[in-house]
Amino acid sequence: AQSVTQLGSHVSVSEGALVLLRCNYSSSVPPYLFWYVQYPNQGLQLLLKYTSAATLVKGINGFEAEFKKSETSFHLTKPSAHMSDAAEYFCAVTPKPGGKLQFGAGTQVVVTP
Amino acid sequence: DGGITQSPKYLFRKEGQNVTLSCEQNLNHDAMYWYRQDPGQGLRLIYYSQIVNDFQKGDIAEGYSVSREKKESFPLTVTSAQKNPTAFYLCASTPRWGAGAMEQYFGPGTRLTVT
Repeated sequence: AQSVTQLGSHVSVSEGALVLLRCNYSSSVPPYLFWYVQYPNQGLQLLLKYTSAATLVKGINGFEAEFKKSETSFHLTKPSAHMSDAAEYFCAVTPKPGGKLQFGAGTQVVVTP
Repeated sequence: DGGITQSPKYLFRKEGQNVTLSCEQNLNHDAMYWYRQDPGQGLRLIYYSQIVNDFQKGDIAEGYSVSREKKESFPLTVTSAQKNPTAFYLCASTPRWGAGAMEQYFGPGTRLTVT
């Protein structure tokens, strides 16, 4: 069984500041990990994914995430927030070889001028 | 353009009525999924289909039914047995089942309101 915990249901950041969204997982087998973004009243869009090729994963829109096995974490970061980053972000996990995704509860990001 | 379409965007029903949500994909994907999204709860899996003519219950299947008669279509029926049907419903697909590194492609969602 696997599960995902996202710390903080709401995060407020200033434009230009670092964005840090936390995700911890539990999985009985090595996982695949994903970050998705959802804009209001829309579907989810993939930001990036970890497939064991490299622990530091770069995604779209300047986001990246680092897989830390010892900490069972997959935190998402962006060095400088833009107003367009305001959205809800979901971390998700699926055990290898794959199948059902388990989603975290989501983190709503607000960007202030 | 390839993608997933869900219709309608907004749906209103009276309590006690069944309602069917449409999901169509032209990506030639084998696997399709239905999720329910409620504020603060993330996405919860209702049903999934690994291949045409097959489907499996997800984590919250009670009060829902699906069919998968065509590869491109995976409609979801919200029955009157669903206790709290008001939610945002998302359909997704992947090229094939069990390919864990493959992302799920999502439709734009249907917001269902039952009064």
